[in-house]
Amino acid sequence: QVQLVQSGAEVKKPGASVKVSCKASGYTFTNYDINWVRQATGQGLEWMGWMNPNSGDTGYAQKFQGRVTMTRNTSISTAYMELSSLRSEDTAVYYCARGMGVFDYWGQGTLVTVSS
Amino acid sequence: SYELTQPPSVSVSPGQTASITCSGDKLGDRYACWYQQKPGQSPVLVIYQDTKRPSGIPERFSGSNSGNTATLTISGTQAMDEADYYCQAWDSSTGVFGGGTKLTVL
Repeated sequence: QVQLVQSGAEVKKPGASVKVSCKASGYTFTNYDINWVRQATGQGLEWMGWMNPNSGDTGYAQKFQGRVTMTRNTSISTAYMELSSLRSEDTAVYYCARGMGVFDYWGQGTLVTVSS
Repeated sequence: SYELTQPPSVSVSPGQTASITCSGDKLGDRYACWYQQKPGQSPVLVIYQDTKRPSGIPERFSGSNSGNTATLTISGTQAMDEADYYCQAWDSSTGVFGGGTKLTVL
């Protein structure tokens, strides 16, 4: 069965960076895009960007351009999302989601807390 | 930037039909999909490409999309359907979510 398993919760100081991983299993990793979506507590879903695990091509929401980097390691079927220059407003649950146009499987989410 | 607008909340009695709307400029010209999210859980895809249901999603969930509005309809709503619902579409390779609608079954 398809599974996306994300890394554990993180606590970071303002100005630091965080790197969240998303390990895929149950399907061919390079056949589907990985998207990243975040959700602040009590708020809605916010799309951050996508990555093609086969080519490494990426596309980022304008809001995160220059601060986010999405990469992958195909040998271990794992995608990564790194967000830099963290501020308190980046405190949220970060999800990876499989899909090309449609997000059919989601990871369990990773809570990133930004606090001094 | 492209925006999708949903009502913050919708209430429905058990067994009745719930309709949740999602509005965006010429939304009918692009595919819409819908996600259900229960407290403390990851979102679940319930409708894609306007009207299609993924495997495992009950038949009481249906969707439509025309003009500027996409609609998620839940027929014979059950208590277990109480959740937040988000519409989503694409604009120039950018994903866009609606603000979400809290469905209350009472």
